[in-house]
Amino acid sequence: QKEVEQNSGPLSVPEGAIASLNCTYSDRGSQSFFWYRQYSGKSPELIMFIYSNGDKEDGRFTAQLNKASQYVSLLIRDSQPSDSATYLCAVNGSWGKLQFGAGTQVVVTP
Amino acid sequence: GAVVSQHPSRVICKSGTSVKIECRSLDFQATTMFWYRQFPKQSLMLMATSNEGSKATYEQGVEKDKFLINHASLTLSTLTVTSAHPEDSSFYICSARPQDPSGNTIYFGEGSWLTVV
Repeated sequence: QKEVEQNSGPLSVPEGAIASLNCTYSDRGSQSFFWYRQYSGKSPELIMFIYSNGDKEDGRFTAQLNKASQYVSLLIRDSQPSDSATYLCAVNGSWGKLQFGAGTQVVVTP
Repeated sequence: GAVVSQHPSRVICKSGTSVKIECRSLDFQATTMFWYRQFPKQSLMLMATSNEGSKATYEQGVEKDKFLINHASLTLSTLTVTSAHPEDSSFYICSARPQDPSGNTIYFGEGSWLTVV
């Protein structure tokens, strides 16, 4: 079992709709959770981080964390073509070492 | 946000030669830096954790004698790919964790494309 799992996609989303991305993790001791966006050929860029159960909103992005169920999700509201990218879920292990999921490719169609 | 700079962004080298990639944290001190490798359409794979003033910790399967890591200061870590071969061609990315313990965020450099011919 992989430590961090994501659906690879592609997730096709009409422009203006909500994109919903899910991530599950195996280490119950994980405390910090991150979503990164990676455009093709570029380095990942941080979108959001979340530490506590519940929702955290930042602009069009909402991260949701449920530690009991060991999943974290990302919602992208009002999806734009510029949101087309691969979204990486990362879970913080010991000494700040991040474990990454394989990423979900999102394609926003006009 | 915090800035991590990598250099060079692209490098082509001949098979058998060595190439060095630098990773600098520009506006914060980083006791810990991480080196990742990413092949096309695959996820980031952690290669090693670099700690300032001490030896790097390598992930299983990563040859420490081939991928030399030096973390000589709180703002600079280097990765040297020795005796490079075409199969080492990849996207190498560093990340840095600020020394300030109030945050737990890790910031990525822009990445370095290595092509071995």
